[in-house]
Amino acid sequence: AQTVTQSQPEMSVQEAETVTLSCTYDTSESDYYLFWYKQPPSRQMILVIRQEAYKQQNATENRFSVNFQKAAKSFSLKISDSQLGDAAMYFCAYRALVNQGGKLIFGQGTELSVKP
Amino acid sequence: EPEVTQTPSHQVTQMGQEVILRCVPISNHLYFYWYRQILGQKVEFLVSFYNNEISEKSEIFDDQFSVERPDGSNFTLKIRSTKLEDSAMYFCASLRERNTGELFFGEGSRLTVL
Repeated sequence: AQTVTQSQPEMSVQEAETVTLSCTYDTSESDYYLFWYKQPPSRQMILVIRQEAYKQQNATENRFSVNFQKAAKSFSLKISDSQLGDAAMYFCAYRALVNQGGKLIFGQGTELSVKP
Repeated sequence: EPEVTQTPSHQVTQMGQEVILRCVPISNHLYFYWYRQILGQKVEFLVSFYNNEISEKSEIFDDQFSVERPDGSNFTLKIRSTKLEDSAMYFCASLRERNTGELFFGEGSRLTVL
């Protein structure tokens, strides 16, 4: 069974600094997607960034980038120039392409606080 | 921009009562999901739905839960006899095609069981 692990329950960063959130996953599939979702206090799930497993190039979205290490099954999120609005719960998630359901499997989440 | 909408945003119910949570997925999407998040915990998969039938369900999705898409637009989650431990945020999500990228989530329905 596929699993997603986020080993950092909480992280803190100073405004304008850089922070990296860790995520590892376990799967025997070769085709899959990886995602980072942001959940602010409103509890809405907001997609931050996604990575297709077949792509070697790491995905980047403005201040957000990932370090995707397929062999190590690692998928970390780097937030550069952190802003107060980045404070939220961040979930790493995995989705296989093979099975019909296409469900997302989430990690436990990392609560990020940003200090002014 | 198309979005997934959920109603109600918050429902309070008595233990043992039936609850129906409603979702309107994005119109051209083919796959539909319900997820649950108990306060302070991770987001858990409940069920996926495709071609008018359940394609996968988790251990959480027992006989007390059911889903249906009665009219081609709404996608509902019914809890027949709510328990205290059903108190959670319930998220609906939809996906256009299996090989496309992300699931699109609604804003969630908060269920409080007293």
